[in-house]
Amino acid sequence: QKEVEQDPGPLSVPEGAIVSLNCTYSNSAFQYFMWYRQYSRKGPELLMYTYSSGNKEDGRFTAQVDKSSKYISLFIRDSQPSDSATYLCAMLTGANSKLTFGKGITLSVRP
Amino acid sequence: GAVVSQHPSRVICKSGTSVKIECRSLDFQATTMFWYRQFPKQSLMLMATSNEGSKATYEQGVEKDKFLINHASLTLSTLTVTSAHPEDSSFYICSATRDYEQYFGPGTRLTVT
Repeated sequence: QKEVEQDPGPLSVPEGAIVSLNCTYSNSAFQYFMWYRQYSRKGPELLMYTYSSGNKEDGRFTAQVDKSSKYISLFIRDSQPSDSATYLCAMLTGANSKLTFGKGITLSVRP
Repeated sequence: GAVVSQHPSRVICKSGTSVKIECRSLDFQATTMFWYRQFPKQSLMLMATSNEGSKATYEQGVEKDKFLINHASLTLSTLTVTSAHPEDSSFYICSATRDYEQYFGPGTRLTVT
């Protein structure tokens, strides 16, 4: 079993839809949870960063962490064509430690 | 957010030559930087962890004599691909840590002919 599993894609939605992206993990040592967005031929961009269980909101994005179930999610409201990208969940055990990534899911938002 | 730059963004070199890629944290100091490579439509593969003032730690299967890493200062790490071969052609990305956050550079596309 991989340490981090991410729902496979690709995912295609119409503009304005709510998107739900999910990852599960098996390592209880993970304490910090991130979502990155990567456009084609670019480096990943840090979207959201959370530590504790619960929800964290930033504009149209909400990150959710459930440590008891070892499950994290990213919700995108009112999705836009510019949200079309690959989304990667990633986790850390501590400061300056290695990121463990999910495989990534490619999202396409149709106009 | 924090900014990480890479130079060059794109490089083409001949087989057998060496190529150096620079990674800089522009507005923060990073004691730890990471180097990744990414093949098309695949996730990032960690190559090595670079700590300022000490030797890099390489992931299993990554040749340390081929991929030389130097973390000379708190804002600069370099990756040198020595004696490059066509199979080294890839997208190389660095990241720098600030507290518990990791920020990525824009990547360097290396093509070895």
